[in-house]
Amino acid sequence: QVQLQESGPGLVKPSETLSLTCTVSGGSVTSGTYYWSWIRQPPGKGLEWIGYIYDSGNTNYNPSLKSRVTISVDTSKNQFSLKLNSVTAADTAVYYCASRMLFRGYFEYWGQGTLVTVSS
Amino acid sequence: EIVLTQSPGTLSLSPGERATLSCRASQGISSSYLAWYQQRPGQAPRLLVYGASRRATGIPDRFSGSGSGTDFILTISRLEPEDFVVYYCQQYGNSPYTFGQGTKLEIK
Repeated sequence: QVQLQESGPGLVKPSETLSLTCTVSGGSVTSGTYYWSWIRQPPGKGLEWIGYIYDSGNTNYNPSLKSRVTISVDTSKNQFSLKLNSVTAADTAVYYCASRMLFRGYFEYWGQGTLVTVSS
Repeated sequence: EIVLTQSPGTLSLSPGERATLSCRASQGISSSYLAWYQQRPGQAPRLLVYGASRRATGIPDRFSGSGSGTDFILTISRLEPEDFVVYYCQQYGNSPYTFGQGTKLEIK
């Protein structure tokens, strides 16, 4: 069973870049069986899909964030990462990494989530 | 983008009662690519139902999903105290994947 764990700074200054990493266990980021996603949830609000990466380099991003987002994979560490640049207070949220299997679009496995606050 | 509208926003019921949660899509969802999640406070969402009506592994049979096209329902047949949390629907038929705004189930 896949297990996911987010890590990264909990506080980011406005206009800077938010960087998070998701460490994968119980599966390989290069397997081609899974799509590796990021999803966020502002405090007290609903869920927003940010994007995914699969097959080590193919990506799909939410158009609402596409100009600011990069998702990448580090095969040597079995991790995938999120970078969101030019952040504002509106990017304050709990960020989850999650996985879905090939040919399935629902998210079976989730990390515990990490709160990132954008503030000076 | 497909917009999902969940209703009601809050549902007040008692343990043992039946809950009916609705999710309506702004356009038809292909092949019933609709999932339901449960989220407890401070936790990640947990997959309950996928393909509109298929229960995920380990989910009690009091949870059931139905619907197609633009209208979907999550039914909880006999509410247990631990069921009084928030539920989200999600469509995965079209990119970007989108979620409903959630229904909060509260104890009456």
